[in-house]
Amino acid sequence: GESVGLHLPTLSVQEGDNSIINCAYSNSASDYFIWYKQESGKGPQFIIDIRSNMDKRQGQRVTVLLNKTVKHLSLQIAATQPGDSAVYFCAEKVTSYDKVIFGPGTSLSVIP
Amino acid sequence: KAGVTQTPRYLIKTRGQQVTLSCSPISGHRSVSWYQQTPGQGLQFLFEYFSETQRNKGNFPGRFSGRQFSNSRSEMNVSTLELGDSALYLCASSLWTRNEQYFGPGTRLTVT
Repeated sequence: GESVGLHLPTLSVQEGDNSIINCAYSNSASDYFIWYKQESGKGPQFIIDIRSNMDKRQGQRVTVLLNKTVKHLSLQIAATQPGDSAVYFCAEKVTSYDKVIFGPGTSLSVIP
Repeated sequence: KAGVTQTPRYLIKTRGQQVTLSCSPISGHRSVSWYQQTPGQGLQFLFEYFSETQRNKGNFPGRFSGRQFSNSRSEMNVSTLELGDSALYLCASSLWTRNEQYFGPGTRLTVT
């Protein structure tokens, strides 16, 4: 099937530190990008999105950066908390096709 | 507002059988998408329905099918089950004019 991103890595961070989760996408025609958080036993939960006409967008404790030149997306989580422990997925979408393609995910583990 | 609901939550079937999974979107949402999630392949797009019409389809064999009813509820069917169909099947709903998808908790299908 289609996929975007790296093989599933694991990221461990100390509580209170900032986390950076990276993602590479493959389709230069993608114009909409989303980050999802999936906790154990639950479906993915929308965190933040960004359109290709932007290179940065901030939410509550989260920032998404988009570098279209190298087709790279990152999610920054400030002051990481134990509740942030989850698998994080980046996803891309070519709006005209309306199909969302997910990356393999990154497992974030927060050390108390 | 109630979230996306999926039934059943867990299902065990044997090879060769068929299965039907159900998804009730958030009230007012008209688009329903289905995804298969496995450890090896990650989150893969199956299909999307809007106003009872399939708008997009992923790279899955014809054994996977779906439909949407006039009340936006959706069902997916997998015929002639194979061991490799064991997965978490996720449903997501969204408003037509918005890209943000809301996921249900998923149906865990085990094929023995």
